Amino acid sequence: GDSVTQMEGPVTLSEEAFLTINCTYTATGYPSLFWYVQYPGEGLQLLLKATKADDKGSNKGFEATYRKETTSFHLEKGSVQVSDSAVYFCALSTGGYQKVTFGIGTKLQVIP
Amino acid sequence: GAVVSQHPSWVICKSGTSVKIECRSLDFQATTMFWYRQFPKKSLMLMATSNEGSKATYEQGVEKDKFLINHASLTLSTLTVTSAHPEDSSFYICSATYGLAQSDTQYFGPGTRLTVL
Repeated sequence: GDSVTQMEGPVTLSEEAFLTINCTYTATGYPSLFWYVQYPGEGLQLLLKATKADDKGSNKGFEATYRKETTSFHLEKGSVQVSDSAVYFCALSTGGYQKVTFGIGTKLQVIP
Repeated sequence: GAVVSQHPSWVICKSGTSVKIECRSLDFQATTMFWYRQFPKKSLMLMATSNEGSKATYEQGVEKDKFLINHASLTLSTLTVTSAHPEDSSFYICSATYGLAQSDTQYFGPGTRLTVL
């Protein structure tokens, strides 16, 4: 079946540091790939997505590239801020009622 | 836009009682709603998918008689945990979408924390 693997964390970074959260997947067919973010006390919200190979999703300074050859969708940001502290979920969807498979979530803590 | 609410945000109940959780799409009509369960330090687990006016589709291993889902309208879905027991304690999250493509975004509610004593 479909699966998503990401580092659990927590990841602790200083403000303005470079962020990478790795995400790899296994799926049948050609999935759509997503990063969702969950800020403390809030629901998950879409951060970015990519729907086909070599697509780059970007939002709020975050970006991730759909790499079919390595089945990866790593999340990056050049300079994190304290306000980026949250849990980040990598996910994929393979159609059919849009069933979404989530990774375990990576907690990011950015310290001033 | 695309806001999903859940009510209640937390609930504590005695073992053997039933608990109803509501999920509403506030500013759009949802073609499909989803119910997830999240365990501590675990990912979200899809429990069921529901479409307005039809029976929910449950994932393998989810007891449909235990977790009753009613999708009465395009903006409301309810999850009833029947005869709840301590092992049902968890964080329940709903999401909704108004598209049908695999790339369409799901909009998530803030979740409901259920504690069964």
